[in-house]
Amino acid sequence: AQSVTQLDSHVSVSEGTPVLLRCNYSSSYSPSLFWYVQHPNKGLQLLLKYTSAATLVKGINGFEAEFKKSETSFHLTKPSAHMSDAAEYFCVVRGPGGYQKVTFGTGTKLQVIP
Amino acid sequence: GAVVSQHPSRVICKSGTSVKIECRSLDFQATTMFWYRQFPKQSLMLMATSNEGSKATYEQGVEKDKFLINHASLTLSTLTVTSAHPEDSSFYICSALQGLSDTQYFGPGTRLTVL
Repeated sequence: AQSVTQLDSHVSVSEGTPVLLRCNYSSSYSPSLFWYVQHPNKGLQLLLKYTSAATLVKGINGFEAEFKKSETSFHLTKPSAHMSDAAEYFCVVRGPGGYQKVTFGTGTKLQVIP
Repeated sequence: GAVVSQHPSRVICKSGTSVKIECRSLDFQATTMFWYRQFPKQSLMLMATSNEGSKATYEQGVEKDKFLINHASLTLSTLTVTSAHPEDSSFYICSALQGLSDTQYFGPGTRLTVL
C-alpha cells in the first residue's frame, strides 16, 4: 500500500521569498516520488522525480526536493518565488519495479503575492 | 520530448449522448496509458489503466460499460463516455507512460460539460 500526504492545502508567499511545499509519503517498498505542477485548467507538468538515486533532486524552473527516508518526506523548495509559480502542486508516489500506478496527494495551491 | 495531447480540450454535450476523448503520445510510444478524473479543487483520481492491445483495467467503482477505453495503437488511447449525464461533467486527464524515463507524462486535459 502507498499513500502521500500534502500537509498544506494552501501556501502563500511573497514574490522573491522562499517556497516550501511539504509532502510525506507512506510506502511498503522503496518508492519513486514525483512533483507535478498544474496551472488553472491545464494538464500536469513534471517538475522533478526521485527514483533511488541522489536524494537531492533538482527540477525545472529552479525547484528542488530532498528525499529523506528517516522522515518519509519529499518536500519541494525554491529559493525565490516568481509570480508564474502560482499554481497547484501535486506530490505523487509510485511503487517499485513494474508497478506503475501512482497515488496523488490532495494538492497544495501556491499563491504568490506581488 | 515526452509530449501528450488530448482532443478535444473542451466539449459540451446533451444528456444521453456519447463523447469520445482522444489521448495521444506525440513523440514516444506508450504501451500503457492512464485515464484520470479531476473534480473541482480536488486531486486526480485514477479511473483506468489502458494497455495497448488488451482490455483496460478499471479502478473500483468505475463503470467499465459507461467509460469505454480503447488503446488500439502505441500512440493513441480513447475514452468514450457513453450516455453522459450531468454528474459526468468533470475534467478528464490522460497520461502516457514513457518507458525510457519510466515516467508518466500528462495531457492538458479535457473539460466535459453535460447539460
